[in-house]
Amino acid sequence: GAGVSQSPSNKVTEKGKDVELRCDPISGHTALYWYRQSLGQGLEFLIYFQGNSAPDKSGLPSDRFSAERTGGSVSTLTIQRTQQEDSAVYLCASSLFFRGTGELFFGEGSRLTVL
Amino acid sequence: AQRVTQPEKLLSVFKGAPVELKCNYSYSGSPELFWYVQYSRQRLQLLLRHISRESIKGFTADLNKGETSFHLKKPFAQEEDSAMYYCALSGGQGAQKLVFGQGTRLTINP
Repeated sequence: GAGVSQSPSNKVTEKGKDVELRCDPISGHTALYWYRQSLGQGLEFLIYFQGNSAPDKSGLPSDRFSAERTGGSVSTLTIQRTQQEDSAVYLCASSLFFRGTGELFFGEGSRLTVL
Repeated sequence: AQRVTQPEKLLSVFKGAPVELKCNYSYSGSPELFWYVQYSRQRLQLLLRHISRESIKGFTADLNKGETSFHLKKPFAQEEDSAMYYCALSGGQGAQKLVFGQGTRLTINP
């Protein structure tokens, strides 16, 4: 089967616009993560979904950021009123959860550029 | 709170020389530690985890709870080891959030 799929692969937007980034996890994976990868900042945790539990949103940098996961599968990360500092690669990962953290399988990322 | 520190953003060594990528963590409980690697134009992928006690591509890492470290080592570096390496920590015991360090870019010179 296919790995984690993310779209779009590249997105250029103007400051102030809203953007949506999509993630299709590996089928059957119950855990889904969003990270932000930017130069000098490493891999920054944003949000984590596990099954039907309430998501861990502790990494979302502001209330402009939100994410949802529909039907326990596809996830959408939404950034409202984008700012230039939001420019980064947004990575999605999924894993099987069994007695602790399983191996994370990453997508290729969505590169966001805010002009 | 979970925190991972990789003190070296860049590390450059010659082929055949030993490599050590440093990782220190902060966590009050019993952590699970991982190393992930991203080769050029490839996806981020798992290299090894401490509970497996494996050697992957010649790399090993030992969890030192006294020093709260999980350094990645390889006795003889190869050019294909050039990549971005991330150390990561999970709280374990059902606490699945995985927190990454800032990463170390390793360059192996011929």
